[in-house]
Amino acid sequence: AQSVTQPDIHITVSEGASLELRCNYSYGATPYLFWYVQSPGQGLQLLLKYFSGDTLVQGIKGFEAEFKRSQSSFNLRKPSVHWSDAAEYFCAVAATGGGNKLTFGTGTQLKVEL
Amino acid sequence: DGGITQSPKYLFRKEGQNVTLSCEQNLNHDAMYWYRQDPGQGLRLIYYSQIVNDFQKGDIAEGYSVSREKKESFPLTVTSAQKNPTAFYLCASSRKGDPRGSGNTIYFGEGSWLTVV
Repeated sequence: AQSVTQPDIHITVSEGASLELRCNYSYGATPYLFWYVQSPGQGLQLLLKYFSGDTLVQGIKGFEAEFKRSQSSFNLRKPSVHWSDAAEYFCAVAATGGGNKLTFGTGTQLKVEL
Repeated sequence: DGGITQSPKYLFRKEGQNVTLSCEQNLNHDAMYWYRQDPGQGLRLIYYSQIVNDFQKGDIAEGYSVSREKKESFPLTVTSAQKNPTAFYLCASSRKGDPRGSGNTIYFGEGSWLTVV
């Protein structure tokens, strides 16, 4: 069965600084990988997804993620963080042939200092 | 506007009572899902349905039940058998099948908070 690890529970960055949120997955075949963002008390919004091809994926709100098969990682990055980026971020994996059933990581809470 | 509507937003339940959370979507999606979210544990899949009148258990189905009588509706009942029901519940929907499709994204509702008192 697939699994996702987000090793950082909380991260604090200053506004304007760069951001990298870590995600490691465990899955035997080529995974389908996703990053979602959740504002407090709200649902989840898809930031970006990777299925195949170019390992650097561009998403909404200026986010990007890089798939590294050798490291089983799919880290999320943003060059310059805005105060409105403060939220919780979830990495998720879907099994190939498993439809849209997602397995989520435990999330990383991002705090942005002004 | 198209989307997923969950109701109620906040719900309090006495121990021993069943409670039903509503989820309605007007996206014409075939597949619908229920996730439970607890602090520090991410989201865990309770039940999912790929088509009307059919549904499958997810990872934590014990103490929950669902029905899928209409394409647009997927209500979740939290029964008295669920030992620790206090949580944030999220409903989601998507097209059926391969998630690689450019339009095949999972959309989430805004969630329902259930508290047992």
